[in-house]
Amino acid sequence: DAGITQSPRYKITETGRQVTLMCHQTWSHSYMFWYRQDLGHGLRLIYYSAAADITDKGEVPDGYVVSRSKTENFPLTLESATRSQTSVYFCASSESGHGGGEQYFGPGTRLTVT
Amino acid sequence: TQLLEQSPQFLSIQEGENLTVYCNSSSVFSSLQWYRQEPGEGPVLLVTVVTGGEVKKLKRLTFQFGDARKDSSLHITAAQPGDTGLYLCAGANNAGNMLTFGGGTRLMVKP
Repeated sequence: DAGITQSPRYKITETGRQVTLMCHQTWSHSYMFWYRQDLGHGLRLIYYSAAADITDKGEVPDGYVVSRSKTENFPLTLESATRSQTSVYFCASSESGHGGGEQYFGPGTRLTVT
Repeated sequence: TQLLEQSPQFLSIQEGENLTVYCNSSSVFSSLQWYRQEPGEGPVLLVTVVTGGEVKKLKRLTFQFGDARKDSSLHITAAQPGDTGLYLCAGANNAGNMLTFGGGTRLMVKP
């Protein structure tokens, strides 16, 4: 299907485990973003990527790793999950990084770390 | 770090009422976007305002960007139950490569 997809939609993991959240877009958008959404904090940017093999930190990058070997994929890895990383994670893409450009969001992944 | 504060955080009104949501910052943004998010889904863009003082209308929704490009408002006229959702404002930094989101306003419109 065309658009932006995330998998899994729901994930429960234990503290200390490694978890990878997947994001795939079919528009060939240059920019991709990872956000986390928590009550009282809105959406906070974790990492973003301007193109394949180019990534940069956002507001809350600690504890996360990203890669972008292909334009269409932008996986987010929690190397050693902590309870504070329990959140809803959204991936987004944009044709350009310019603020005037619309960001298209995936449906989100609800992650619970026990 | 640029911060965006939205108010109110929660709003519960009856169908037919009018409402205004505010998005304020001490920082200047190159543009400001408003998104709406429904449960279990990602945010969807409603509008982008770019010029200070700009007003945009989308049916019963009116968006305004402050003259100094530090604040914005969303006004809904004659709210309907279908307007229920989480409204998020997001400001773009000067480089234009990052959005800063406000905390959101959760709106419930009762029939």
